Amino acid sequence: DAKTTQPPSMDCAEGRAANLPCNHSTISGNEYVYWYRQIHSQGPQYIIHGLKNNETNEMASLIITEDRKSSTLILPHATLRDTAVYYCIAILNTNAGKSTFGDGTTLTVKP
Amino acid sequence: GAVVSQHPSRVICKSGTSVKIECRSLDFQATTMFWYRQFPKKSLMLMATSNEGSKATYEQGVEKDKFLINHASLTLSTLTVTSAHPEDSSFYICSASIGDRQETQYFGPGTRLLVL
Repeated sequence: DAKTTQPPSMDCAEGRAANLPCNHSTISGNEYVYWYRQIHSQGPQYIIHGLKNNETNEMASLIITEDRKSSTLILPHATLRDTAVYYCIAILNTNAGKSTFGDGTTLTVKP
Repeated sequence: GAVVSQHPSRVICKSGTSVKIECRSLDFQATTMFWYRQFPKKSLMLMATSNEGSKATYEQGVEKDKFLINHASLTLSTLTVTSAHPEDSSFYICSASIGDRQETQYFGPGTRLLVL
């Protein structure tokens, strides 16, 4: 898996968009970008993933740069319940889910 | 859909005893499950990959005789911590992936083990 780099922490005001960056400059052509989050003392939760195109689901949007060296997870209207550690992972589509988790970004949503 | 459960959610045991943790995929069949451990304020560390009907594949540095993994069916994998010691105290998390979408993992809620 390509190494990913994320800022250790970020704050966001409730109701605002939270934009979480991730660098994956050594990503290979067949590695997906995955985002998970972990709320305190719970198991991680899948958020979204993408390969080349931008993706959107009911939880978030994923913007991947054209050169695929970085991406941004966007939570459009952050709530207090979005406070969590967010992990960005680059993984081969043949790796059967074997993910290497870095330290992630601790997002704190403030009232 | 894609719900994974773990049992127990927390367990306290005496040093030297063995503890079994169950991981179940509730609404899908999982040919592959993964076991992680997580220390306080640290990231997840992959311990092993559990394949239904075959032996688990352990990550480097993980003692296979210490952490016994059994994946007897497509919906159940178990992790047994044998002869537990206080340093085995940790948060153990399992995950499962679905069929041909094996990159996406669905995680259980975790099991907190405290060894006294």
